[in-house]
Amino acid sequence: VQMTQSPSYLAASPGESVSISCKASKSISNNLAWYQEKPGKANKLLIHSGSTLQSGTPSRFSGSGSGTDFTLTIRSLESEDFAVYYCQQYNEYPLTFGSGTKLEIK
Amino acid sequence: EVQLVESGGGLVQPGRSLKLSCLASGFTFSNYGMNWIRQAPGKGLEWVASISSSSSYIYYADTVKGRFTISRDNAKNTLYLQMTSLRSEDTALYYCARTLRRVYTFDYWGQGVMVTVSS
Repeated sequence: VQMTQSPSYLAASPGESVSISCKASKSISNNLAWYQEKPGKANKLLIHSGSTLQSGTPSRFSGSGSGTDFTLTIRSLESEDFAVYYCQQYNEYPLTFGSGTKLEIK
Repeated sequence: EVQLVESGGGLVQPGRSLKLSCLASGFTFSNYGMNWIRQAPGKGLEWVASISSSSSYIYYADTVKGRFTISRDNAKNTLYLQMTSLRSEDTALYYCARTLRRVYTFDYWGQGVMVTVSS
C-alpha cells in the first residue's frame, strides 16, 4: 500500500491550526497511525486507528478519515509541535509510511 | 518506564554482516511484538521487519528478505537483527520499536543505531 502524504513542508505560526493529508493507494479501513519525529527524541506515536489519541497525546491533535483518505489536524500550534510528522498504515504487510511532513515555524 | 536501547551498529564493508541488538526494559518483553524500522540519511521511515511475542510470526520488507533475520530472546529481553550481504542502500539509522498490542503499530521507539555500509 502506497501512502501519499502532503504537503511535504508546512510553515505556520504558534496559535494557528494546520492539517496534514495522507492518502492510501487502496482502502486500509481505519488502520492508520500518525507519528511525530523530533531531533534527539524518540519518535512518538500520536494517533492510531485513524482517530484514537495515544495516551499522552495533547487534545489539540486530532485524526480523521477512513478507507483511503486521512487527515491529521493540530489546533492552536505550540512551539513544541514544530517537528516532522509521518503517517503509517498497518492494514497489511509490508507496513508502509508516508514520506513525511516537516512543520516549521513561520 | 519503557526503554529500548539499540546497539551493534557501525561501519561495515559491502557484502559483510552485522548484528544489531535492542535491549528492552520497563515492560514484560515476552508479551509484546517487536519491530525494526530504519531511516536512511535525510530520508523517511522504512519498516524492515516484525516479530510476534513468541516468534511465531515474522515478516520482512522485500528489500531485506533473504538477507536480514529478526529474532528475539525473551529470557534476555533482547531483540536482534542479523544483517548479511549488506549493501550501500542499507546505510541508515536503525530503530527498534514495540508493537502496540492489538493495534500493530509502534508505541515505543528506541533512539536508533547507525549502520554505515561503505568500502
